[in-house]
Amino acid sequence: AQSVAQPEDQVNVAEGNPLTVKCTYSVSGNPYLFWYVQYPNRGLQFLLKYITGDNLVKGSYGFEAEFNKSQTSFHLKKPSALVSDSALYFCAVRTSASKIIFGSGTRLSIRP
Amino acid sequence: SQTIHQWPATLVQPVGSPLSLECTVEGTSNPNLYWYRQAAGRGLQLLFYSVGIGQISSEVPQNLSASRPQDRQFILSSKKLLLSDSGFYLCAWSKAKGDIQYFGAGTRLSVL
Repeated sequence: AQSVAQPEDQVNVAEGNPLTVKCTYSVSGNPYLFWYVQYPNRGLQFLLKYITGDNLVKGSYGFEAEFNKSQTSFHLKKPSALVSDSALYFCAVRTSASKIIFGSGTRLSIRP
Repeated sequence: SQTIHQWPATLVQPVGSPLSLECTVEGTSNPNLYWYRQAAGRGLQLLFYSVGIGQISSEVPQNLSASRPQDRQFILSSKKLLLSDSGFYLCAWSKAKGDIQYFGAGTRLSVL
């Protein structure tokens, strides 16, 4: 079955430190991968996507994600976390039927 | 530029009452449209999606229905609300199936 997993319900990071939010996937064929962010009581906002090309994808708000085919992962990263980065983050994958499956979400908390 | 409007932002309804949530998209034509429900600020459950006027696909059996009377209008309805219908409802659109989805601000529904 095609799926996406976010193994961490919550990630806590001190402001200024690097952050990583993990995502692994299982799809048929070449993966199309996405990251979204959700602030409280708001809809999801698109951050970045991987379709093909460089394994390191740069997106909005200084975020980037690293595609690793051998580990079937697409981890979200940022070199220096801000308190304003605190939010709920979703990884998503496009299936072979062109449906989008969202992960269960990871709550990122940045402490001052 | 494209925008998506979703209303109302919050809604409190008694059990057994009807429901109508509306979503409209501006600045694009023939969008793919989606209704999601998000429980307790976590994962997204796809309820319905539509690739065109009058074309609705239901992902899960439930107490809700959807309609698309116009190209850029998507309506979520219920004849009689249940307590279990409470949640955060999100509308989204994409240019094509499996493409980036753009979300509305959401409607928080409380059924009492």
